[in-house]
Amino acid sequence: QKEVEQNSGPLSVPEGAIASLNCTYSDRGSQSFFWYRQYSGKSPELIMSIYSNGDKEDGRFTAQLNKASQYVSLLIRDSQPSDSATYLCAVNPAGNQFYFGTGTSLTVIP
Amino acid sequence: GAVVSQHPSRVICKSGTSVKIECRSLDFQATTMFWYRQFPKQSLMLMATSNEGSKATYEQGVEKDKFLINHASLTLSTLTVTSAHPEDSSFYICSARTPREGDGYTFGSGTRLTVV
Repeated sequence: QKEVEQNSGPLSVPEGAIASLNCTYSDRGSQSFFWYRQYSGKSPELIMSIYSNGDKEDGRFTAQLNKASQYVSLLIRDSQPSDSATYLCAVNPAGNQFYFGTGTSLTVIP
Repeated sequence: GAVVSQHPSRVICKSGTSVKIECRSLDFQATTMFWYRQFPKQSLMLMATSNEGSKATYEQGVEKDKFLINHASLTLSTLTVTSAHPEDSSFYICSARTPREGDGYTFGSGTRLTVV
């Protein structure tokens, strides 16, 4: 079982819709969770971090964490074509360990 | 915010030569840096963990003699691809844990290596 699992997609949504990206993790003791965005040919950039159960909102982005279900998600409201990228879920179980999912490719169709 | 600078951004080298990639933390000290490799349309693969003042820790399957890592200061780690071959052509990315809680890891801009 992989440490972090994501649906690779591709996920396509029309412009203005809500894009929902999901991630599950295996280490129940994990405390820190991150979403990164990676454009083609570029390195990942941090979008959101979340530590507590529930929702965390930042602009059009909302991260949701459910530790009991070992599930973390990212919602993108009012999706824009510029949101088209690969979204990486990352989990930090402890110390410097840091596990990335394989990423979900998102395409926002104008 | 924390910035990790990586150079060069692109490099083309001949097969059999060596290439050095630098990764610098510009406004913070990084005792640990990480080197990833990413092939087209694939996920990030951790190659090694670079530790300041000590030997790097390599992931299984990564040849330590081929991918030399030096972390001589708290702000600089280098990755040298020795005797490069076309199959080493890839996107190499470094990262460091940012000092501020909640920021996760910051990535360098990446190096596109093409071996011809």
